[in-house]
Amino acid sequence: EAQVTQNPRYLITVTGKKLTVTCSQNMNHEYMSWYRQDPGLGLRQIYYSMNVEVTDKGDVPEGYKVSRKEKRNFPLILESPSPNQTSLYFCASSFRQSSYNEQFFGPGTRLTVL
Amino acid sequence: KQEVTQIPAALSVPEGENLVLNCSFTDSAIYNLQWFRQDPGKGLTSLLLIQSSQREQTSGRLNASLDKSSGRSTLYIAASQPGDSATYLCATNDYKLSFGAGTTVTVRA
Repeated sequence: EAQVTQNPRYLITVTGKKLTVTCSQNMNHEYMSWYRQDPGLGLRQIYYSMNVEVTDKGDVPEGYKVSRKEKRNFPLILESPSPNQTSLYFCASSFRQSSYNEQFFGPGTRLTVL
Repeated sequence: KQEVTQIPAALSVPEGENLVLNCSFTDSAIYNLQWFRQDPGKGLTSLLLIQSSQREQTSGRLNASLDKSSGRSTLYIAASQPGDSATYLCATNDYKLSFGAGTTVTVRA
C-alpha cells in the first residue's frame, strides 16, 4: 500500500531532551516536507526537501533540523525541544513539485513538550 | 507570500443540503490547488487536486472549481451526509503548500 508513515504517533517529552520524528514514504517520491499544525495558526511548513541531500527552510524552521540521506526517509530532529514546539506534526511527500503531483500526508505525530 | 483564506470558518447544514466551501488566494502563480479533509485530531485526506491549467475537477459527490485570475476555488459537496462532517482545508501549491485555516462543516441528521 502506498503510504507515508510517521513514528512515533504520540510523544510526551521534557524540555531539552533531543528527539527525532521519523517519516518514510514508499512511493519513490522526490519531494518531502514537514508541517506543524497549531490551533488558530493552521498548517505551516517547517522544512522541505526537493531530493536526496537537498533541503531548505520553510516558514517556521527555528528549533528544527532535518536530513535527507535516502530518498524514502526524511526525519525531523528537535535538538533541544521547548514547550512552544508542542504541536501536531505532519510529514508529506509528492513525486515532484509540479501541476500534476498530489501531496500525500502521513497520519501525524502529536508532540507534547513539558 | 501566499495568503489563503477560507470563508466561512464554520458551517452547519441539514442532511441532504448541498455544501459550498470557498477558498481565496492572493498569488495566482501556483502549480495546483488541493482540497483536503481532516477529521478531529487526525491526518489529512486528499479529496481533489486541480492543476493550474484546469477549471474544475470532479470525484463522486465532490466538485471543485478553480479561477486563477480571480484567485478563487470552490468546493461543492452534493447531497451532504452526516459522514461529511469534518474540517475542509484548501491549499495552494507552488514550491510548498500554503493552507487556509479551514471550514468546519457539521451536517445534521
